[in-house]
Order: sequence, then C-alpha cells, then structure tokens
Amino acid sequence: AQTVTQSQPEMSVQEAETVTLSCTYDTSESDYYLFWYKQPPSRQMILVIRQEAYKQQNATENRFSVNFQKAAKSFSLKISDSQLGDAAMYFCAYRSVLSGGGADGLTFGKGTHLIIQP
Amino acid sequence: EAGVAQSPRYKIIEKRQSVAFWCNPISGHATLYWYQQILGQGPKLLIQFQNNGVVDDSQLPKDRFSAERLKGVDSTLKIQPAKLEDSAVYLCASSFVNRGTEAFFGQGTRLTVV
Repeated sequence: AQTVTQSQPEMSVQEAETVTLSCTYDTSESDYYLFWYKQPPSRQMILVIRQEAYKQQNATENRFSVNFQKAAKSFSLKISDSQLGDAAMYFCAYRSVLSGGGADGLTFGKGTHLIIQP
Repeated sequence: EAGVAQSPRYKIIEKRQSVAFWCNPISGHATLYWYQQILGQGPKLLIQFQNNGVVDDSQLPKDRFSAERLKGVDSTLKIQPAKLEDSAVYLCASSFVNRGTEAFFGQGTRLTVV
C-alpha cells in the first residue's frame, strides 16, 4: 500500500514571500499521479496542482509550482508571492495508475496548515 | 457548472443511532467516492463507485457502514449504529473515468457523535 507523509504540521510565511511545503511518499509503482489539494475552512478540497510521474518536467500553475524528485519520492509545493487567500490546509495526495478494477482513490497525507502573516 | 452537492452540512447524533448522508455528483461523472476525514488527518477513502458498481470498498467498516449509488447518479452513505469514533467530516467527490483527471469535492458533512 502507498503512504504519503507531510512532515510539517504547520508553516508560517509573510505575505508576498515564498514558502515550500514538503511531501514524501512510498510506493513500488513506477507510474502514478501526485496532487496538491487546498482545504480552506469551508472544508471543500480544491485542486492546486497535479504531476504525472512519467513526466520529468515539474508542473506549474501560476504562483504554484512543484519540485518532483521521483528517485527520492519527494513532491514539494512552492508558493510564490504568498497571498492572504492562500491560508488553508494543504494536502499532498497520491493516485495509483496500475491498481486493478479501476480503483483509483486518492491516498492523502496528514496535511500542512499554512498561515499567511500580513 | 454545478459542483458536488452534499447534505446535510452538519449532523449531531447520539451513539448507537443511525445516520445517512446524501451526495449528488457533477453531471456526467461516472466515478463517485466517499472519504472520511477525522480531525487533524487527511481524508481516507471509504468507498468508490463507478456508475452503479462498487470498485473499492476495502476500507469501509462493513459491520456498520453501507453505501449505495442509485441509477449511477446520487449516492447515500449510512452508518448504523454510530460510534463515538465515527465523528468526522464525510466528503463526497466525483470525477470522469480517467486516473489523471481531477476529483471534485463537495463541502462535506460534519458528523458529531455524542
């Protein structure tokens, strides 16, 4: 079974600065998807960015980018020019490609609470 | 485009009572998931449907939890009887049948068992 580890329960950053959230995972599979989700107090999970394991190029979405190190099984999220609206819980998640029968539920880490200091 | 709808938003019940949650996925999404999110943890998959059929229920406590998806659209998740440790947020998500596509989540139901 796959596991996802987020070792930073809480991170704090000044508005307009850059912050990096860490995520490591354990898998024996060679192909899979990785995601970062944001969960504000409203509880609705919102996709921030996704990475396909077979793609070497790191994904980027506006101010959000990832550093995907497949050999190290590391998938960190960098948020540039942090804004007050970025404050939320951030979850790293793994999705298998090879599991049988179409099972493709996400495996989540425990999350990192991101605080933005004005 | 309407999102994933869940009801109720909040529910408080006593232990040993039963409770049901409802989910209406995004139109056209064949895959539907139920997740349990205990306070301070990430969501954990309970069950996955594809159309009417169950694809994965390996983490569903089948002695007390049940779920169904009627006509491949709406879904209900039931707990009977509830235990204190079932207190959590229950999230419903849906997606197209493609492992790389985004799963869209509802706002969840916060269950408190007292």
